[in-house]
Amino acid sequence: KQEVTQIPAALSVPEGENLVLNCSFTDSAIYNLQWFRQDPGKGLTSLLLIQSSQREQTSGRLNASLDKSSGRSTLYIAASQPGDSATYLCAANSGGSNYKLTFGKGTLLTVNP
Amino acid sequence: DAGITQSPRHKVTETGTPVTLRCHQTENHRYMYWYRQDPGHGLRLIHYSYGVKDTDKGEVSDGYSVSRSKTEDFLLTLESATSSQTSVYFCATSGTDRVEPQHFGDGTRLSIL
Repeated sequence: KQEVTQIPAALSVPEGENLVLNCSFTDSAIYNLQWFRQDPGKGLTSLLLIQSSQREQTSGRLNASLDKSSGRSTLYIAASQPGDSATYLCAANSGGSNYKLTFGKGTLLTVNP
Repeated sequence: DAGITQSPRHKVTETGTPVTLRCHQTENHRYMYWYRQDPGHGLRLIHYSYGVKDTDKGEVSDGYSVSRSKTEDFLLTLESATSSQTSVYFCATSGTDRVEPQHFGDGTRLSIL
């Protein structure tokens, strides 16, 4: 059974800092790896999706990498801003279908002005 | 996001009562999903639908039933609510079940006393 772990559970940084959020998964036979953002009282918003054949994906100040062999993905946020404060979740897709997503518990990021 | 509306947004009810949560989407997405989110757990899939009247169980389906009579509506029913079903429930949709990320509603906070 796929298990997804996110470390740290919470992270507080000053504005402008570059930071890395970590996601690890136990079964490397994944179809894709997805990163989401969740604001308080809201649903999840998809940020980046990395196919198993890809090494990384970029969107603006966000860069996500994937290393299947080590069972790890990282989300890099450049020049963090207070508006980046949210919970970030990763999800491993083990079966090629969305109903095979296994979510991590998330990292709560606080960016202090 | 993706025109997903969940109702009600908040509900408090008593143990043993039936509860129905509604998810309405305006994107004509074929796939719809119900998740629950609890502290200490990642999002867990309850049920999903791959078309009108086509549904299947997810990871934590015991005590829940679903129905989808129209493309735009996906209902989640707790036949006899228990305190262990206190949670935040999210509906999600996707046009396909493969590469495309899911879009999430803002959730229903359900408290069962």
